Amino acid sequence: GENVEQHPSTLSVQEGDSAVIKCTYSDSASNYFPWYKQELGKRPQLIIDIRSNVGEKKDQRIAVTLNKTAKHFSLHITETQPEDSAVYFCAAIISNFGNEKLTFGTGTRLTIIP
Amino acid sequence: DTAVSQTPKYLVTQMGNDKSIKCEQNLGHDTMYWYKQDSKKFLKIMFSYNNKELIINETVPNRFSPKSPDKAHLNLHINSLELGDSAVYFCASSQEGEQYFGPGTRLTVT
Repeated sequence: GENVEQHPSTLSVQEGDSAVIKCTYSDSASNYFPWYKQELGKRPQLIIDIRSNVGEKKDQRIAVTLNKTAKHFSLHITETQPEDSAVYFCAAIISNFGNEKLTFGTGTRLTIIP
Repeated sequence: DTAVSQTPKYLVTQMGNDKSIKCEQNLGHDTMYWYKQDSKKFLKIMFSYNNKELIINETVPNRFSPKSPDKAHLNLHINSLELGDSAVYFCASSQEGEQYFGPGTRLTVT
């Protein structure tokens, strides 16, 4: 089955600096890679995603890169702000016409230091 | 309108009891999930279900059972609750992989 590894498990970054979280996956059939942000006491929410036919996607301060050959993908947050403090989860999903198999990473607790 | 809703938000109960958590989605999605999030924040898939197939994570005890009266609902029944069942349980629905999570139910077993 799919195995998703996420690193680091905790990350502290000075406000204004960049943060990078990395995930690797094992199943080459995975074709959808979302990133979720979970604030304290709240539900995980999708912040950005990428499909296997794309190498990079950006949305304002957030970007995701995908290297299918190496089977890894990364989340990049630039100009970090205190509200970026949260737990971030990656996931690798095989999505085929209503059939889905997904695996989440173990999460990264990001702390932005003011 | 709330896309994925769960009730109750908090549930405190004693060991050995049987309880249920309800989940409803109004997104018209075909697939629904139950997740358990423990104190270390790991998100563990317990079940995935669409109108064709129930997939059970083999590590989930058979005290846990999902019940889907219709496509928009997936309820979670837990029998003989144990201390280790204390966690936050999230329901989610998805279409083409993107997960929409419910607000979570914090279950505390005493």
